Amino acid sequence: DVKVTQSSRYLVKRTGEKVFLECVQDMDHENMFWYRQDPGLGLRLIYFSYDVKMKEKGDIPEGYSVSREKKERFSLILESASTNQTSMYLCASSLKRLAGAQHFGDGTRLSIL
Amino acid sequence: DQQVKQNSPSLSVQEGRISILNCDYTNSMFDYFLWYKKYPAEGPTFLISISSIKDKNEDGRFTVFLNKSAKHLSLHIVPSQPGDSAVYFCAASVAGNQFYFGTGTSLTVIP
Repeated sequence: DVKVTQSSRYLVKRTGEKVFLECVQDMDHENMFWYRQDPGLGLRLIYFSYDVKMKEKGDIPEGYSVSREKKERFSLILESASTNQTSMYLCASSLKRLAGAQHFGDGTRLSIL
Repeated sequence: DQQVKQNSPSLSVQEGRISILNCDYTNSMFDYFLWYKKYPAEGPTFLISISSIKDKNEDGRFTVFLNKSAKHLSLHIVPSQPGDSAVYFCAASVAGNQFYFGTGTSLTVIP
């Protein structure tokens, strides 16, 4: 069974801090994704990666960056956290680009004060 | 602009009856569609998918219907069970690339 693990369930940070959200998958999936979920807006794609050291912008990349140094790990970085980045962050992985189904972690509820 | 829309934020259904969740999309290039189910404090889990070459796909109690001319997708759950109470998201993509998600419909199945 695929396991996508996000390092923290809840995180509280201050405005201006650099924040790291970590995600690890254990099924050798090529593709990894970062979304944020906000009420009334559904899931919106921030960044994704189809391979190690490769990244592509999603719909809302501003204020974020990512790192994928190893196949199993995909990190989301908030360069200088702001209050409008308070949200639920979800990481996902999938086996093949055209395979479809993404497997999600349980999410990180991030609050920026 | 929201390319995938779920216009009903919530739905209540009696146990044993049919639940119908709807989804509309605007991009005619979308050719792959999925439904996810999400319980509180958990990530979404994949439920069922359909490609644009089909108009129906069944998996047990779950059936997804695709009407390409209307750009409309629906998920039928028959019979509905209390454990089906969750938020359901539809998602669409072009060739399995970036997925666009709807805003979700919260289903409550009343025992």
